[in-house]
Amino acid sequence: SQTIHQWPATLVQPVGSPLSLECTVEGTSNPNLYWYRQAAGRGLQLLFYSVGIGQISSEVPQNLSASRPQDRQFILSSKKLLLSDSGFYLCAWSKRGTHGSDTQYFGPGTRLTVL
Amino acid sequence: GQNIDQPTEMTATEGAIVQINCTYQTSGFNGLFWYQQHAGEAPTFLSYNVLDGLEEKGRFSSFLSRSKGYSYLLLKELQMKDSASYLCAVRDSNYQLIWGAGTKLIIKP
Repeated sequence: SQTIHQWPATLVQPVGSPLSLECTVEGTSNPNLYWYRQAAGRGLQLLFYSVGIGQISSEVPQNLSASRPQDRQFILSSKKLLLSDSGFYLCAWSKRGTHGSDTQYFGPGTRLTVL
Repeated sequence: GQNIDQPTEMTATEGAIVQINCTYQTSGFNGLFWYQQHAGEAPTFLSYNVLDGLEEKGRFSSFLSRSKGYSYLLLKELQMKDSASYLCAVRDSNYQLIWGAGTKLIIKP
């Protein structure tokens, strides 16, 4: 069966500091990978998605970036955090294919607080 | 623009039935998803509808009417553990998932 991991589970960072969140998937090959942010009382906002190694599509222009150095690893980064970056960050995977073609399954999430 | 509407919050009694509605206006339609999200946790997949009609999965059922841009999630024999937020998401013509803000369901004894 497939498993998706995210770490850290919680993070408190000062404004202006860098960020690195990691997501890995086990039990599947060539998955589509997604980064979402969920603000309180808001719907999920798609930040980035990837259909393969080194292939990143950005949905929202901002101070965040994503990378996919390995098939089942997806990393979300920032060089300088803003207060508005606080939120619940979720990584998700779906079976390989056209972006969005299959059901997405979520990791446990990272709660980020920027002070 | 694209929009998903769900009630913000609903309250129901343990053992009862509740229906959570979702209406959508999107650029095309390629399926509708329901997810359950307990507080502080990740969403978990509940159901998928792409054709009109009712899909049943145990205590949970999901209905879709594409002509009306409408879906509902029906929860029967409510249990305290069903207290959660329920997220509706529609896949548009570009296979992009558009998410509603979710409905917080409170179950009372």
